[in-house]
Amino acid sequence: GNSVTQMEGPVTLSEEAFLTINCTYTATGYPSLFWYVQYPGEGLQLLLKATKADDKGSNKGFEATYRKETTSFHLEKGSVQVSDSAVYFCALSDSNYQLIWGAGTKLIIKP
Amino acid sequence: DAGITQSPRHKVTETGTPVTLRCHQTENHRYMYWYRQDPGHGLRLIHYSYGVKDTDKGEVSDGYSVSRSKTEDFLLTLESATSSQTSVYFCASKAEMNTEAFFGQGTRLTVV
Repeated sequence: GNSVTQMEGPVTLSEEAFLTINCTYTATGYPSLFWYVQYPGEGLQLLLKATKADDKGSNKGFEATYRKETTSFHLEKGSVQVSDSAVYFCALSDSNYQLIWGAGTKLIIKP
Repeated sequence: DAGITQSPRHKVTETGTPVTLRCHQTENHRYMYWYRQDPGHGLRLIHYSYGVKDTDKGEVSDGYSVSRSKTEDFLLTLESATSSQTSVYFCASKAEMNTEAFFGQGTRLTVV
């Protein structure tokens, strides 16, 4: 069946560091891929998405490219801020009703 | 932002009592979901709906039931609450199959 695997956290970085959170997937067909962010005490918010191979999703300085050849959708940001501290979830949506979720990666940014 | 509201936002209830959580969306989305979120378990799907009166079980459905009598409302009922159902519950909705979901703010439920 379909699945999403993302790197375990927590990931701890200093402010202005480069961020990569790895996400790989297994799916049949042509799923859409998403990154969500969850700030403390809040619900999940869509951060970015990509709907087909080689698409790049971007938002708030974050980027992720849909790589079908490596079945990956890694999240990157060139210079993180303390306000980026949150839990990040990778997910896919295929031709089924459901979203398939990664386990989430907690990101801690230190000043 | 998609209009999805959950009520109540916080609830404390006693073991053995029934509890109903409500999710209301104003986006006319066809699909709706109930998840629970627990430390170390990520998001786990409880039940979902693919239309009015059309629902199905997720991976952790035991002890829960749902109803969807209108497009905009999706109710989650804990038939007889247990301490293991203490959790944060999230509702989500989406318009079409291969699209993103939008989430409510969550309900923190404590069963004592």
